[in-house]
Amino acid sequence: TQLLEQSPQFLSIQEGENLTVYCNSSSVFSSLQWYRQEPGEGPVLLVTVVTGGEVKKLKRLTFQFGDARKDSSLHITAAQPGDTGLYLCAGADAGNNRKLIWGLGTSLAVNP
Amino acid sequence: EAGVVQSPRYKIIEKKQPVAFWCNPISGHNTLYWYLQNLGQGPELLIRYENEEAVDDSQLPKDRFSAERLKGVDSTLKIQPAELGDSAVYLCASSSDAGAEQYFGPGTRLTVT
Repeated sequence: TQLLEQSPQFLSIQEGENLTVYCNSSSVFSSLQWYRQEPGEGPVLLVTVVTGGEVKKLKRLTFQFGDARKDSSLHITAAQPGDTGLYLCAGADAGNNRKLIWGLGTSLAVNP
Repeated sequence: EAGVVQSPRYKIIEKKQPVAFWCNPISGHNTLYWYLQNLGQGPELLIRYENEEAVDDSQLPKDRFSAERLKGVDSTLKIQPAELGDSAVYLCASSSDAGAEQYFGPGTRLTVT
């Protein structure tokens, strides 16, 4: 069974701090997606990384896909209260590109 | 373009009662997903449709859960009878193709008392 482990599970920080969320697996993924979910809403896609070693930036968010395509990280610089939410990673099964494997999520709270 | 529509947004029922959730995906999206999500956790896939065919229902508790996607557009998820442990948010998502970006609805929050 493929698993995606996210860490930390919970994170509470002050506005302006930096943070990194990790998504790890022993399986290889053809691509990996990061979503953010706010309370009462469904997840919304932030980015998709496809190539091993790829780095994508979205304003203050930096996403990296591991060289072996087994892990990924999300780094937020100078976190804002608006960054509060549940961050989810989801990997596309390299052997079955039609199935997404979801992580359990990292719940982030940014305090003003 | 309208997003994924789900109804109802909230539902409170007593255990052993039936309940149904409805989802209208984004127009033109062939793939539709039903997920269950517990508070603060990631979504758990219940069933995936490609057009009207259920291609992955391995995680659907078939003794009490059923789903249909007639004509390959709207979909309904049913629970009968509901149990206390079914309390969760039920999310519907759609994508243009399996493996592509998924667009989620707001979910239906089910409370079973």
